[in-house]
Amino acid sequence: EVQLVESGGGLVQPGRSLKLSCAASGFTFSNYGMAWVRQTPTKGLEWVASISTGGGNTYYRDSVKGRFTISRDNAKNTQYLQMDSLRSEDTATYYCARSPIDTYLDYWGQGVMVTVSS
Amino acid sequence: DIQMTQSPASLSASLGETVTIECLASEDIYSNLAWYQQKPGKSPQLLIYYANSLNDGVPSRFSGSGSGTQYSLKINSLQSEDVSIYFCQQNYDSPWTFGGGTKLELK
Repeated sequence: EVQLVESGGGLVQPGRSLKLSCAASGFTFSNYGMAWVRQTPTKGLEWVASISTGGGNTYYRDSVKGRFTISRDNAKNTQYLQMDSLRSEDTATYYCARSPIDTYLDYWGQGVMVTVSS
Repeated sequence: DIQMTQSPASLSASLGETVTIECLASEDIYSNLAWYQQKPGKSPQLLIYYANSLNDGVPSRFSGSGSGTQYSLKINSLQSEDVSIYFCQQNYDSPWTFGGGTKLELK
C-alpha cells in the first residue's frame, strides 16, 4: 500500500525557517517524481515544487523560488521541503504527492499544517 | 500561468442522478488534465488523468472527456459517497494549476 506521511509542520514567525519531511513507503521511491502542493480556503490548491526521480531537476512556483528548496534522499525514501524566509501568505496545509512521469499526482499524504504568524 | 476555470462552483443533485462538472483552460493543454476528489477533512484523490483515463480503483460511474481548452467530469448514477469537492488540474505547463473546485452536495 502506498503511504506518504508528512511531518515538520507547525507555527513559525515570519522570516523564520521550517523543514517539512515526507516519508514514503509501499512503492519504489526512486522511480517516481515527487511534489509538494499546498491548500488554503482562500487560494485553493497551489502546486509549490516538484523534483525528478534522481533529484537532479527541481521546479518551483515563482512565489517560493529562492526561498524554498525541495530535495530527496532515495536511500531514506524521503523527500523534503526546506522553507526559508517564511511569509504569512505561506500559511497553508502542505501535501506531499507522488508524480508519475512528472505529470498528475496519483497519491497524496494526509497533509501538514504550516502557520506563519507572529 | 494557465488559468483553470471550473463550473459550477457548487452543485446539488439527487441520488441516482447524472452530474457534469466543467473545466476551462485559458489555453490549449493538450489533454494534460487531471480530476481529483476531496472528501471533507481528507487529502485529494486522483480520479482521472490525461483527461479520460480512469485511475485504478475508481468506480466506472466516473468518466472524463474533452480536448483543447474544454474538459468535463461526469458522474453517472450519483451515490452518497460522491459528496465531495472536485478539482481539475493542468499539468501541461509549469506552474501546474488547479481549478477553484466544485462542491457537490446531495439534494
